[in-house]
Amino acid sequence: GQQLNQSPQSMFIQEGEDVSMNCTSSSIFNTWLWYKQDPGEGPVLLIALYKAGELTSNGRLTAQFGITRKDSFLNISASIPSDVGIYFCAGQLSGNQFYFGTGTSLTVIP
Amino acid sequence: NAGVTQTPKFRVLKTGQSMTLLCAQDMNHEYMYWYRQDPGMGLRLIHYSVGEGTTAKGEVPDGYNVSRLKKQNFLLGLESAAPSQTSVYFCASSLFRDNEQFFGPGTRLTVL
Repeated sequence: GQQLNQSPQSMFIQEGEDVSMNCTSSSIFNTWLWYKQDPGEGPVLLIALYKAGELTSNGRLTAQFGITRKDSFLNISASIPSDVGIYFCAGQLSGNQFYFGTGTSLTVIP
Repeated sequence: NAGVTQTPKFRVLKTGQSMTLLCAQDMNHEYMYWYRQDPGMGLRLIHYSVGEGTTAKGEVPDGYNVSRLKKQNFLLGLESAAPSQTSVYFCASSLFRDNEQFFGPGTRLTVL
């Protein structure tokens, strides 16, 4: 299967700090998605990106589709305790399934 | 709108036993998916369906079978459970292939 490398694997930050995480692949993807998963729940979509270079915001979250189409990043500004969870990237090849990264675990210390 | 629901939420099986996981969605979505989630592995696609009566293999289909007899339901079967199938199983659905996937709450399966 396709390998999506997500980094960092885990983060411990103070409340109010900004967060940045990214996802890279050796393959070119047509779509990038970012999901958040709370403990005991299924992933919930945060942001979807469909074009190379696209920069999309959703409240305090901003994500970008890399120009090379092989990477994407997610930024969270002014983190709050409810941002705690695991963040997954997912990429879709042309006409094919989505492949998920291994996740970034975020802990926000009040 | 319940979205995507999964039953059961938890299950413990002995090696060699069989079981069926049920996924239901009330959003009239065409596509449905079964994933497994293991520590450090992310989500991996087991099987998926592009419409009622159709199924296709994903990345890790061995040891699983699926059926989509009704548009709103997608069943995942384990004929002879093995400890390697201990995992959390997620069902998802999407309107079409390129649309957002909505996930269910997951089923935690332990095979002893």
